[in-house]
Amino acid sequence: GIQVEQSPPDLILQEGANSTLRCNFSDSVNNLQWFHQNPWGQLINLFYIPSGTKQNGRLSATTVATERYSLLYISSSQTTDSGVYFCAVVRAGTALIFGKGTTLSVSS
Amino acid sequence: EAQVTQNPRYLITVTGKKLTVTCSQNMNHEYMSWYRQDPGLGLRQIYYSMNVEVTDKGDVPEGYKVSRKEKRNFPLILESPSPNQTSLYFCASSFTLNSAYEQYFGPGTRLTVT
Repeated sequence: GIQVEQSPPDLILQEGANSTLRCNFSDSVNNLQWFHQNPWGQLINLFYIPSGTKQNGRLSATTVATERYSLLYISSSQTTDSGVYFCAVVRAGTALIFGKGTTLSVSS
Repeated sequence: EAQVTQNPRYLITVTGKKLTVTCSQNMNHEYMSWYRQDPGLGLRQIYYSMNVEVTDKGDVPEGYKVSRKEKRNFPLILESPSPNQTSLYFCASSFTLNSAYEQYFGPGTRLTVT
């Protein structure tokens, strides 16, 4: 089945730093989403980005579907950015397959 | 406001006592699904529904039941909960599960079975 790998698994930053999170997937996909799970456990939709580039404030994402990867950029990180970031792709029209996530800790 | 709601948000129960976790969406979505999240195992699908009266098993369906009698609701039923069902549960919905549509997740239900 389709595999989703995220890197790095953990990331520790000082407030104000920039970071790049990567998501590799094993098969061609036409549905990819990025989520942020906050410390309270809620899954927040960040981007629906099967291809191309999108930006939302300090966050942006790029998916290169032909090369089977997606990148999430966080600029000028804040402590509220802490949590786990997941990417997920659709499997055969039945489920989202999630990566194991990148745990981000931002300290002030 | 477009949203997926779940109730209860937190639940502590005992082994064998039947419980239902409700899920409702107000976006007229056809597709709904349940996931559980466990440390080290990530998010895994329990059941999904493509439309009213159409449900199917996901990756970890044992010990769970679902029903889809109306489009907006998709309850998750644990007939006889056991401690290995202690987990964080998420309901999700989208118009359909294909390339065109984004999935939306509920706030999660943290279940503890003692």
